[in-house]
Amino acid sequence: GAVVSQHPSWVICKSGTSVKIECRSLDFQATTMFWYRQFPKQSLMLMATSNEGSKATYEQGVEKDKFLINHASLTLSTLTVTSAHPEDSSFYICSARDPRGGLYNEQFFGPGTRLTVL
Amino acid sequence: KQEVTQIPAALSVPEGENLVLNCSFTDSAIYNLQWFRQDPGKGLTSLLLIQSSQREQTSGRLNASLDKSSGRSTLYIAASQPGDSATYLCAVNSGNTPLVFGKGTRLSVIA
Repeated sequence: GAVVSQHPSWVICKSGTSVKIECRSLDFQATTMFWYRQFPKQSLMLMATSNEGSKATYEQGVEKDKFLINHASLTLSTLTVTSAHPEDSSFYICSARDPRGGLYNEQFFGPGTRLTVL
Repeated sequence: KQEVTQIPAALSVPEGENLVLNCSFTDSAIYNLQWFRQDPGKGLTSLLLIQSSQREQTSGRLNASLDKSSGRSTLYIAASQPGDSATYLCAVNSGNTPLVFGKGTRLSVIA
């Protein structure tokens, strides 16, 4: 299957700083990428849908100004957590849809980024 | 709005047992359904993907079935092993929308 990478795999930062997480599709061009958040022992919650060349679509309750998403190319989407606070500590997972799959296009997931805000 | 439910939330079995994990979804208009495995602190590993036109998929000791009309899927694990211990997530693809996940089943296989 297609490969999606994330960087960094983990990050620790001080409260008030900003953190950028990168998501790359390595062997396909992804017009659409998704960002999920997962709290301990919880399922994945969709944060936003990232479309190449246009603004991201955020889910209800997700602060656009806090979680900045940029999808500048067909292989890269970034999530920036601005002015991070301890409650933003979570596991962030991105996924990319391979458009070659047609209607049955499968989503491929990155390995996740563990964010800890002190 | 699509909702996915997984039962049971947690399961503990002795090694060697065959087991069934259940997944149900509220909107039967799906394109496919996927089962994932997640180890603690790790990302997702795709196990099986069933297209809406299919009834089941098999991979090794894993068999997933899909009854689209009733909104149900099951993941059957044969001859369970301690290495199967993980959280199993069911997710539904309803088209050009993101996958919708269930809350998962935490499986512990005891040696």
